[in-house]
Amino acid sequence: AQSVTQPDIHITVSEGASLELRCNYSYGATPYLFWYVQSPGQGLQLLLKYFSGDTLVQGIKGFEAEFKRSQSSFNLRKPSVHWSDAAEYFCAVGADTDKLIFGTGTRLQVFP
Amino acid sequence: EPEVTQTPSHQVTQMGQEVILRCVPISNHLYFYWYRQILGQKVEFLVSFYNNEISEKSEIFDDQFSVERPDGSNFTLKIRSTKLEDSAMYFCASSRQGGRSNQPQHFGDGTRLSIL
Repeated sequence: AQSVTQPDIHITVSEGASLELRCNYSYGATPYLFWYVQSPGQGLQLLLKYFSGDTLVQGIKGFEAEFKRSQSSFNLRKPSVHWSDAAEYFCAVGADTDKLIFGTGTRLQVFP
Repeated sequence: EPEVTQTPSHQVTQMGQEVILRCVPISNHLYFYWYRQILGQKVEFLVSFYNNEISEKSEIFDDQFSVERPDGSNFTLKIRSTKLEDSAMYFCASSRQGGRSNQPQHFGDGTRLSIL
């Protein structure tokens, strides 16, 4: 069965520091992978997606993610975090059918 | 940029009552979805809808739940007789294509449902 694991429940970084949020997936075929961000009281906003091709994908707000098949990972990165990046981040995999399967999320806190 | 809109933002209902959550998907999208997120837990798939019928549903989506596209713009989720455990944030999403396509799902801001 498909699944997504986000090992870090909560991460705290200083503003200006680099960020990496981990995501591991379990899926038999080539996965479709997504990162969504949820600010407090808001919905899920798509940051970036991977379907095929270049394994390093660029997203909005300066985020990027790298698909590594050998590690079953799709980690999200940002070179310099801004205070406005504080939010909850969800990794998701597109399954065989219509549904998305989400990880449990990582809450990012940014200190000035 | 087009958005998925959901109303109301917060719904408070007595246990046992019926509730209808409303969504207006993005206008040229053909696939519609409902997900829910119980407080502190992950986002879970409920149901997908295409061509006026359910294309897939999860175990959560039992006989108490139904979906409908009553006109060309709205997509609704009805819970017939609410239970305490239905308290959650409900997200509507839409996409231009479904399944294993390269069209991502776009989500609304959610409706927080509180059952008393």
